[in-house]
Amino acid sequence: AQSVAQPEDQVNVAEGNPLTVKCTYSVSGNPYLFWYVQYPNRGLQFLLKYITGDNLVKGSYGFEAEFNKSQTSFHLKKPSALVSDSALYFCAVRDQGGGSQGNLIFGKGTKLSVKP
Amino acid sequence: SAVISQKPSRDICQRGTSLTIQCQVDSQVTMMFWYRQQPGQSLTLIATANQGSEATYESGFVIDKFPISRPNLTFSTLTVSNMSPEDSSIYLCSVEIGNLVYNEQFFGPGTRLTVL
Repeated sequence: AQSVAQPEDQVNVAEGNPLTVKCTYSVSGNPYLFWYVQYPNRGLQFLLKYITGDNLVKGSYGFEAEFNKSQTSFHLKKPSALVSDSALYFCAVRDQGGGSQGNLIFGKGTKLSVKP
Repeated sequence: SAVISQKPSRDICQRGTSLTIQCQVDSQVTMMFWYRQQPGQSLTLIATANQGSEATYESGFVIDKFPISRPNLTFSTLTVSNMSPEDSSIYLCSVEIGNLVYNEQFFGPGTRLTVL
């Protein structure tokens, strides 16, 4: 069965510092991996995804994520955090072997708080 | 991408009543999804709604409680029936552009439901 783990409920970072939001996954086959962000009182916005190829994926708002197959991880990173990055971040996985439309499985979310 | 709107954006309802949530997309899409996000929790898929066929419900969700309509390729409704306080959640509509398993999903802003 597919699963996604986001081990941190909350991450606190000072503005200008690098940030990392952790995500590990478990799938039976090769994964498709996604990061979404949810700002207060708004729906989820797509940030980036890993399908295949280069392990470092670049996405919206300066975010990037690194796929590590041996560690089954897909951590979200940004070199310099902004106060406006404060939001709820969700990692999600879809199993390539999950049929033509395998369901998207979400982690429980990590609240990122960036202080000035 | 897709622009998705939901109505209502929020509502406060009495126990035992029903609420119908509307989801409108600015383009024709095959796959539409309904998710529930309970307070402090991740997203849980309720059902997949394809135009021209009955919705497919996930384990733990039944049509009598969450009837779904999908009359055309740009619109869907989710009804939360015979509500109880445990139904208090954010309900999100999402769509998938194309029919490839690695496509990202786009989400509406959500409907925040409080049941008293």
